[in-house]
Amino acid sequence: AQKITQTQPGMFVQEKEAVTLDCTYDTSDQSYGLFWYKQPSSGEMIFLIYQGSYDEQNATEGRYSLNFQKARKSANLVISASQLGDSAMYFCAMREVVTGGGNKLTFGTGTQLKVEL
Amino acid sequence: DTGVSQNPRHKITKRGQNVTFRCDPISEHNRLYWYRQTLGQGPEFLTYFQNEAQLEKSRLLSDRFSAERPKGSFSTLEIQRTEQGDSAMYLCASSLGSSTGELFFGEGSRLTVL
Repeated sequence: AQKITQTQPGMFVQEKEAVTLDCTYDTSDQSYGLFWYKQPSSGEMIFLIYQGSYDEQNATEGRYSLNFQKARKSANLVISASQLGDSAMYFCAMREVVTGGGNKLTFGTGTQLKVEL
Repeated sequence: DTGVSQNPRHKITKRGQNVTFRCDPISEHNRLYWYRQTLGQGPEFLTYFQNEAQLEKSRLLSDRFSAERPKGSFSTLEIQRTEQGDSAMYLCASSLGSSTGELFFGEGSRLTVL
């Protein structure tokens, strides 16, 4: 069974600073994928970044980067130059490919990020 | 707006009543998913469709829950004889068969069972 652990219930960061949100995972699969999603108060889950287990480079998407350490089974999200609009809940998720090629995601419990002036 | 659309956004019902939620996925997406999210938790997988075929169901989906996707377009999630424990946000997502296959979520339907 897959498991995602996010140990930081809440984080504070000052505007324009960088912040790291932690995520560790457990799986017996050799091939897997890791996602980060942002959930603002409106409720919609917004896809941020993806890392495949065989990807040699750490994923980056604009101000988001994923610090992937396979041996340690960690996939931490780094947000650079934080903005007030980054205040939201952040979820780490792992995919299991199911029948027909669909992605069944297992989510962590999330980290509530608050960006302060 | 061409994102995933869900309605109603909020539903308050009395215990024992039936409720139905609708999801309209992004038009070219052939895969559709339902998740449930309770307060303070991440979303939990409920079920998955590829086109009109329901290919995966979680054991969380009791026999009071039924989901359909007729014609492979919109989907409905019905909960019969609601219980207070069904109170949650029900999220719908859709995806293409891309290499990453990221899911695009709607804003959810919040159910409150009194």
